Amino acid sequence: TQLLEQSPQFLSIQEGENLTVYCNSSSVFSSLQWYRQEPGEGPVLLVTVVTGGEVKKLKRLTFQFGDARKDSSLHITAAQPGDTGLYLCAGVDTGRRALTFGSGTRLQVQP
Amino acid sequence: DAGITQSPRHKVTETGTPVTLRCHQTENHRYMYWYRQDPGHGLRLIHYSYGVKDTDKGEVSDGYSVSRSKTEDFLLTLESATSSQTSVYFCAISEGTSGRGEQYFGPGTRLTVT
Repeated sequence: TQLLEQSPQFLSIQEGENLTVYCNSSSVFSSLQWYRQEPGEGPVLLVTVVTGGEVKKLKRLTFQFGDARKDSSLHITAAQPGDTGLYLCAGVDTGRRALTFGSGTRLQVQP
Repeated sequence: DAGITQSPRHKVTETGTPVTLRCHQTENHRYMYWYRQDPGHGLRLIHYSYGVKDTDKGEVSDGYSVSRSKTEDFLLTLESATSSQTSVYFCAISEGTSGRGEQYFGPGTRLTVT
C-alpha cells in the first residue's frame, strides 16, 4: 500500500506570512497532485507535477516535485485569508488510475 | 466546473438499512470513483469504475458495493448501514487518457448512520 504523509497537520498563521507544506512517501509516484478543499465542498485540483525536480508556480503558490518523485512541497508566499482551507496531496497509482491521498494540512490565515 | 452531481446531499439513516448514493456526470469521462472522507484519514478509495459494468475495489471496500450500467451514473450501495459508515462520500471522475490521473470531484454526500 502506498502511503503519503503530510506535515504539518494544522497551521495557523497571520496574513502576509510565508509557509511550506510537505508531502512525503517511501513510494515512487508517476505524478503527484495538490488539491484545496473548502468546508462543505469537494476537493479542487490546483496542480499536477509529473517530472522529478519539476517546479510549478500558480500566482503565490509554488509546487515542487522531488527528484526521486517520492515527495512534494507547496510553498505559499504572503498568505492571504482566501488561502484558508484543507490542502491535500495525492499520488497517482498508474495501475488503477486511482489516487492515494495524504491526510491533509488544514491552513488558517488570520487577517 | 466539471459536471458532477451527487444525490442525496445529506442523509440520515438507521443501522441495518440499505442506502444507495448516486453520482451523475455530464462529461462522458471513462473513470469514476467513490471516496469517503473522515477526520484524520484524508480521502480513502472505496470502489472505482473504468467503464460500463467494469468496477474494482479500493482500499476500504468492505460493506460497500457499486454498479455502473451507464457511462454517466455510478451508484454506491451500503447493503446494511453501520455507524462506522457515517462519513462524507465524494464521487470523482477522470478522463484517464493523459496518464496524469487528474480527478474532478462532486460536492459530496454527508451520511449519518444512527
